Amino acid sequence: DAKTTQPPSMDCAEGRAANLPCNHSTISGNEYVYWYRQIHSQGPQYIIHGLKNNETNEMASLIITEDRKSSTLILPHATLRDTAVYYCIVTDGGATNKLIFGTGTLLAVQP
Amino acid sequence: GAVVSQHPSWVICKSGTSVKIECRSLDFQATTMFWYRQFPKQSLMLMATSNEGSKATYEQGVEKDKFLINHASLTLSTLTVTSAHPEDSSFYICSARDGIAGDRDEQFFGPGTRLTVL
Repeated sequence: DAKTTQPPSMDCAEGRAANLPCNHSTISGNEYVYWYRQIHSQGPQYIIHGLKNNETNEMASLIITEDRKSSTLILPHATLRDTAVYYCIVTDGGATNKLIFGTGTLLAVQP
Repeated sequence: GAVVSQHPSWVICKSGTSVKIECRSLDFQATTMFWYRQFPKQSLMLMATSNEGSKATYEQGVEKDKFLINHASLTLSTLTVTSAHPEDSSFYICSARDGIAGDRDEQFFGPGTRLTVL
């Protein structure tokens, strides 16, 4: 699986958009970009995933660059409950769909 | 969304005893389940991949004889920590992949089990 690089921490004001970057410069053509988050002492929660095109769901938007070497997760209106560690993961989504977690970004939403 | 449960949510045991942790997919069939371990202030570390009806595949460095995994049905996988020692104290998390929903590739995670070995 390709490695990802994320900033260790970020702050965001409540109500503002949170933009979380991720670099995955060695991503292969068949690998997807997944985002999960983990609130303290809970299991990770799926947010969104994509291959080439930008994706949007009720939680977030995922913007993938044309060369697929980086992506940005956007939380449009961050709330205090969005404070969590956000993990960007690349995987081929094959039969085993193994997720290898990196260190993630601790997003702290400030009131 | 799909729900995965774990039982127990926390357990304290004496050194040398064995502890079993259950992972259940409540509203879908999980052909594949995964077990992770997380130490304080660290990321999740994948321990093993469990496929229903077959032997688990362990990640490098994980002792298969110490961490016994059984995936006897499409909704249940168990992790048994045998002869537990204080260094096995950790947060154990399972996840399950919906094997029936076609192109749904997301994994659904359980709430985790906090193991403390005295």
